Amino acid sequence: NAGVTQTPKFRVLKTGQSMTLLCAQDMNHEYMYWYRQDPGMGLRLIHYSVGEGTTAKGEVPDGYNVSRLKKQNFLLGLESAAPSQTSVYFCASSYNPGGTEAFFGQGTRLTVV
Amino acid sequence: KQEVTQIPAALSVPEGENLVLNCSFTDSAIYNLQWFRQDPGKGLTSLLLIQSSQREQTSGRLNASLDKSSGRSTLYIAASQPGDSATYLCAVAVDSSYKLIFGSGTRLLVRP
Repeated sequence: NAGVTQTPKFRVLKTGQSMTLLCAQDMNHEYMYWYRQDPGMGLRLIHYSVGEGTTAKGEVPDGYNVSRLKKQNFLLGLESAAPSQTSVYFCASSYNPGGTEAFFGQGTRLTVV
Repeated sequence: KQEVTQIPAALSVPEGENLVLNCSFTDSAIYNLQWFRQDPGKGLTSLLLIQSSQREQTSGRLNASLDKSSGRSTLYIAASQPGDSATYLCAVAVDSSYKLIFGSGTRLLVRP
């Protein structure tokens, strides 16, 4: 049982480059989330989805886009990376008839130079 | 706006000690509260989930309590071990999307 899997685990981008982070969950969860974790700021919500084909903005959505074309996958895109987007990105999923506990992936460490 | 605070920010205790980590939140209208453990460079591991209608949950040496009216939760760790050393995060779900608002964590060191 893999749970929540994020790819890639590490990435270095140059300013202005684009990339997509992939999150996959195998727990049949309805809801998925992208958070970023920065020193001294804790975890903050970027975007989230309450079902296939739906997305919504979180606390810090600027500079990011997301898509949820399949229930098990949630993609986070950076169209034009900026140094301020250097962070650790965590994907999470939650909610099925079994409960509302949130499960997190292992994180993607992104550096923008 | 919901805010979550964890005190202390860091804690160092000798092995075997019982300890309490504190979490407070400003708005009592929460859906659930979850405690996580994070090891350096790793993801978050869920420890305990307390639904808004519950008062406490227990798992092994861990016990978490919830007092919605006062906006507080505590995580009690019994007979601490060096392997318990990690950062402990508290988070509240603020609506039916179950998106989480996190505290900044308590960094725990258990000395052998």
